[in-house]
Amino acid sequence: GAVVSQHPSRVICKSGTSVKIECRSLDFQATTMFWYRQFPKKSLMLMATSNEGSKATYEQGVEKDKFLINHASLTLSTLTVTSAHPEDSSFYICSAEGSGLHEQFFGPGTRLTVL
Amino acid sequence: AQSVTQLGSHVSVSEGALVLLRCNYSSSVPPYLFWYVQYPNQGLQLLLKYTSAATLVKGINGFEAEFKKSETSFHLTKPSAHMSDAAEYFCAVRAAGNKLTFGGGTRVLVKP
Repeated sequence: GAVVSQHPSRVICKSGTSVKIECRSLDFQATTMFWYRQFPKKSLMLMATSNEGSKATYEQGVEKDKFLINHASLTLSTLTVTSAHPEDSSFYICSAEGSGLHEQFFGPGTRLTVL
Repeated sequence: AQSVTQLGSHVSVSEGALVLLRCNYSSSVPPYLFWYVQYPNQGLQLLLKYTSAATLVKGINGFEAEFKKSETSFHLTKPSAHMSDAAEYFCAVRAAGNKLTFGGGTRVLVKP
């Protein structure tokens, strides 16, 4: 149980375009979802926390207009990288937590490459 | 504020040898502690977690970790390394709220 999926697993886009990444909890209701960014050979950096039906809470230094997060249902959150630039290239990982579980379950990640 | 320090960004062990990955944390409240493993281009897989029950925690793939409050440590061990253990390992702490704070990670190389 407690499976989280991400789509797409890999995306290449041109500079200036927007890219949407989906994160789904497949077998549980995710009251909270988290979005992380991971640079090569580095640890995970929390970008934002989102609760179903409310606005995401962004970490300091993360541009909310650049990284749009929507958590419209208890099983789906989306991260949209708007007007992507090469410096946005990274590995994006989501995680999800259900009520009372005290544990985050991680998705497999999405590799974004902006040309 | 909470923080996690993993001593050693790289650890090299011989197949069959002991694996020891060090993790020290700081937290103002009793923490939940986690060890995750990450294989290349994949997400994180939970190895084990400490949630204030037994201080010695057994996880998957033969790993275990011991919570030592006096040392604020949660070191990960495996008695005998296998080639498949080559990966990146992350220690994480969860204190107040539900955010995780990760250590910098330790890359394990297993020599045949």
